[in-house]
Formats: sequence, structure tokens, C-alpha cells
Amino acid sequence: ETGVTQSPTHLIKTRGQQVTLRCSSQSGHNTVSWYQQALGQGPQFIFQYYREEENGRGNFPPRFSGLQFPNYSSELNVNALELDDSALYLCASSFGRPGDIQYFGAGTRLSVL
Amino acid sequence: QKEVEQNSGPLSVPEGAIASLNCTYSDRGSQSFFWYRQYSGKSPELIMSIYSNGDKEDGRFTAQLNKASQYVSLLIRDSQPSDSATYLCAVESDTDKLIFGTGTRLQVFP
Repeated sequence: ETGVTQSPTHLIKTRGQQVTLRCSSQSGHNTVSWYQQALGQGPQFIFQYYREEENGRGNFPPRFSGLQFPNYSSELNVNALELDDSALYLCASSFGRPGDIQYFGAGTRLSVL
Repeated sequence: QKEVEQNSGPLSVPEGAIASLNCTYSDRGSQSFFWYRQYSGKSPELIMSIYSNGDKEDGRFTAQLNKASQYVSLLIRDSQPSDSATYLCAVESDTDKLIFGTGTRLQVFP
């Protein structure tokens, strides 16, 4: 157990809809990173939040957005869902320092039909 | 484009053998390297972290780093069927942001 929890575990949406995924960090961690993992691929960095501010973004369009709250929990929002958004979405928490270990939650499996 | 390359496998080894997993990376400035294990349908779990050239041992696992060759490896001694999983190599591209390889699928047969 990493102490990082994600909800929901599974989600089915249709193309064009919007979705919100949630993540609760490990106690004491102030940084949350979100990753998208398509089937058979490694996780791809979406963005990171440090103390409620976005702190870096990967190669994902603006319809992927996020929030981090004062208690360091986080949300990932995806608008105008596309079929290719079907993936495992992972959040990881850490202290945000160079070389820090990131601890992953169990993930949310999103299927877009 | 910063990249991390792994052979996708599957790598099949008999129980009790040494499994050797390899990873190369493109960013010479990278300083932190990680191996994660991922069982099918589950999330990645950290196996090893390594920051300096040379070997780092933890139980049956040994990580090896060669920054000059931009090469990281993971050795698993006395492989067990429970080690069968996908092993992800991750490199820190910027402070606390990871680039992952596609993973190597390891199969340990009895």
C-alpha cells in the first residue's frame, strides 16, 4: 500500500463527454503527478501540481486540465472525450524534490465508447 | 525528444535463473533512475532507485547504472514465478517528472 488513493477505479464514458478523476496523496506529500498509460505502453506524463500550482506539463492538449487542493488532493479533468483517451490514469505523489520517489495509486481505468 | 528505450520482450527465464533487464535513455543530463514492477491490470510499484554510477543491491535485485553509456539495467537473481510482470524503466527528465520506457515483460517458468 502506497497511501495514494484514486477514485473511481473504473469508468465508462461516451465520446464527447467530460470526466473527473480524483487522487488523494500520501500523507506529507505536496506534489501530485498524473500519467496516462495506454494498453501495452509505459505511463506518459500529463502534468504535475506542486502546492496547488501547475508545475510542468507533458504533450497533452488543453482539454486535459487539473487542480490541486490545499490538502494536496488532486483532480484530473478531461473534456470532449475521444476514443483514444481510453487508458489507465495514474496519479503519483511525492515531495517534489529532485530524485524523489513517486508513489502510485491503483489507477482509474477509463473506457471511452 | 527525451526517450527511454526498453526491449518489450517477453523475456522468458526458468525459475532460479538470473533475469537481466536493460534500458537506455537519451538525456545525458538525467540524474535519477527508477525500476518499477507492474503486474497485469495493476499500478507500478517501485523496485529500485539508483542515482550514482555502479551497482546497487537490494535483496535479489541489483540495479546497474552507467551514465557515460546512458544505460541502466536490473538483474533479478533466483527468479521466481511471482516475478513474472512488466518491468518499467523510468528516468527523471526534469525535477520529479518521469519518462517511462514501454516496459519489458518478464516470464519466469517453473
